[in-house]
Amino acid sequence: GAGVSQSPRYKVAKRGQDVALRCDPISGHVSLFWYQQALGQGPEFLTYFQNEAQLDKSGLPSDRFFAERPEGSVSTLKIQRTQQEDSAVYLCASSDDRGSEAFFGQGTRLTVV
Amino acid sequence: AQTVTQSQPEMSVQEAETVTLSCTYDTSENNYYLFWYKQPPSRQMILVIRQEAYKQQNATENRFSVNFQKAAKSFSLKISDSQLGDTAMYFCAFIPYFGNEKLTFGTGTRLTIIP
Repeated sequence: GAGVSQSPRYKVAKRGQDVALRCDPISGHVSLFWYQQALGQGPEFLTYFQNEAQLDKSGLPSDRFFAERPEGSVSTLKIQRTQQEDSAVYLCASSDDRGSEAFFGQGTRLTVV
Repeated sequence: AQTVTQSQPEMSVQEAETVTLSCTYDTSENNYYLFWYKQPPSRQMILVIRQEAYKQQNATENRFSVNFQKAAKSFSLKISDSQLGDTAMYFCAFIPYFGNEKLTFGTGTRLTIIP
């Protein structure tokens, strides 16, 4: 497709369950970002890839969060042993150059019950 | 570290009127990029307008324009002839010219256009 694709769009997880969120960026985009957006708030940075290299993971809230982009295209954000505070929308974005438009997916709304 | 502040949590305006959304930021950087993103209920962030800090001319995109005041660290968005489709959350965001490319967002302004 022409845009950034995220799946699933909605995920309900029981507390303690592991989840995996997928992001398929625009073909050829070097940079890929994950953001977490709590209800009524702006997105907060989680992690950043340039091709397959994870250059910054300073925003990951705990060691339960893990992200990968093994072949420099599709990325997966994994959350282990989910907690209620992990409930949020997870947004993925990609861009082809610093300062240029970042294209966002529609996000995955994660609800931990 | 950079911070972005949007002091208007909610705004509403009659259709066809003009509205201005405020944004201030704090940074020690001299060169950077500023953005306004729109987030409708579908959740997908859409770029509205982009400004490069080294350009003095204010960016304009059709009905959308900015008032960029670098010394005051202010970056407001003006929407002219507002339309019902402009109803959305609007986020101001910042990227430094060097270093990490991550966007730093404000907390957003919920804009409602009243028919």
